[in-house]
Amino acid sequence: SAVISQKPSRDICQRGTSLTIQCQVDSQVTMMFWYRQQPGQSLTLIATANQGSEATYESGFVIDKFPISRPNLTFSTLTVSNMSPEDSSIYLCSVLGRAETQYFGPGTRLLVL
Amino acid sequence: GNSVTQMEGPVTLSEEAFLTINCTYTATGYPSLFWYVQYPGEGLQLLLKATKADDKGSNKGFEATYRKETTSFHLEKGSVQVSDSAVYFCALSGTGNQFYFGTGTSLTVIP
Repeated sequence: SAVISQKPSRDICQRGTSLTIQCQVDSQVTMMFWYRQQPGQSLTLIATANQGSEATYESGFVIDKFPISRPNLTFSTLTVSNMSPEDSSIYLCSVLGRAETQYFGPGTRLLVL
Repeated sequence: GNSVTQMEGPVTLSEEAFLTINCTYTATGYPSLFWYVQYPGEGLQLLLKATKADDKGSNKGFEATYRKETTSFHLEKGSVQVSDSAVYFCALSGTGNQFYFGTGTSLTVIP
């Protein structure tokens, strides 16, 4: 399985600011995903990060709010823009490994005041 | 469409008790099924999976059998430990590698 790291692991931010979360994988992967997990909730897919092209966003998520970069097959960033307290969540990146299995990073815990 | 329905928690058990967490699914085609575990303060870890009907996934004493006839993938463990306290997510992989997660079941095991 792939080893996935995320930075930062947690942060406390002021409303109106932006935070960029990094996801690094120890091997090249075709598909990378970004999820949000609101407190006490399940995972919601934000977008699929595509290498060399714009990310594919799920319903309810837009590029202006959650811009994503994927410059190569081992790295991606998610920015949470113009934050509000409702953006307080855990943000997780994942990759698709062999046999249709997704592997997850440790998550970034974000609190917006 | 695809969806996963998971037993609601929280579940509290005494150490060495038997655990069952129910999971049923709706899917087009033949999805792969997964159980993920999230320990406090951590991300999701793959616990076990099954890729076709009648397959049994197992890991760390946990088991789940892919039952096509009942569209179920219930998680079981014969004797839980305090260290099993976590949130458990059932998931399926649909077409285009889209994952569908259940709502999660919180398990607390008390000594």
